[in-house]
Amino acid sequence: DAGVIQSPRHEVTEMGQEVTLRCKPISGHDYLFWYRQTMMRGLELLIYFNNNVPIDDSGMPEDRFSAKMPNASFSTLKIQPSEPRDSAVYFCASRPSANQPQHFGDGTRLSIL
Amino acid sequence: GIQVEQSPPDLILQEGANSTLRCNFSDSVNNLQWFHQNPWGQLINLFYIPSGTKQNGRLSATTVATERYSLLYISSSQTTDSGVYFCAVEDRGGSEKLVFGKGTKLTVNP
Repeated sequence: DAGVIQSPRHEVTEMGQEVTLRCKPISGHDYLFWYRQTMMRGLELLIYFNNNVPIDDSGMPEDRFSAKMPNASFSTLKIQPSEPRDSAVYFCASRPSANQPQHFGDGTRLSIL
Repeated sequence: GIQVEQSPPDLILQEGANSTLRCNFSDSVNNLQWFHQNPWGQLINLFYIPSGTKQNGRLSATTVATERYSLLYISSSQTTDSGVYFCAVEDRGGSEKLVFGKGTKLTVNP
């Protein structure tokens, strides 16, 4: 089975530009999670969806961040405008149902210059 | 929120040695996972183990939920075991997110 697929793998852009990260969860998984990894704060949840509905977005840093899940096979995380402090590795994860393990994608390494 | 503490923070081994990594958590959990983050940054699922004991080759894990800790055992370590090992838990009374510890950085020397 294909795992969680994220794109792009690497993104380098200038401050102020819009950044869009993409995620395709494992087919049949009802939950999708977005995490961010930084040296200072480690791995933290940004937002998660259940059946395409956002459930907990308390980890979204500020209004510059938004996430959508228009259907069961696709989600986006958008940063507009981007800032250097947004530089991090962004992971997407999915799981089939509650009380099941989360499976992570390979991450997107984002650098904002 | 729930707190997750991992020890030791760093561990250096010679190839062939055994090791035990520990994860303590501050509250009841629905889910506990161990991950290996390899040098390329990928997060590899090792175990889903909210309670009990599991084994997978040279790796095994035990979670004692009533005492709020989990242990990851690595036997006959290999250089490819190097990387950071994370414990992550899902708080039983809270959000379904995983809360990660800070990790144990393992270096296995040839």
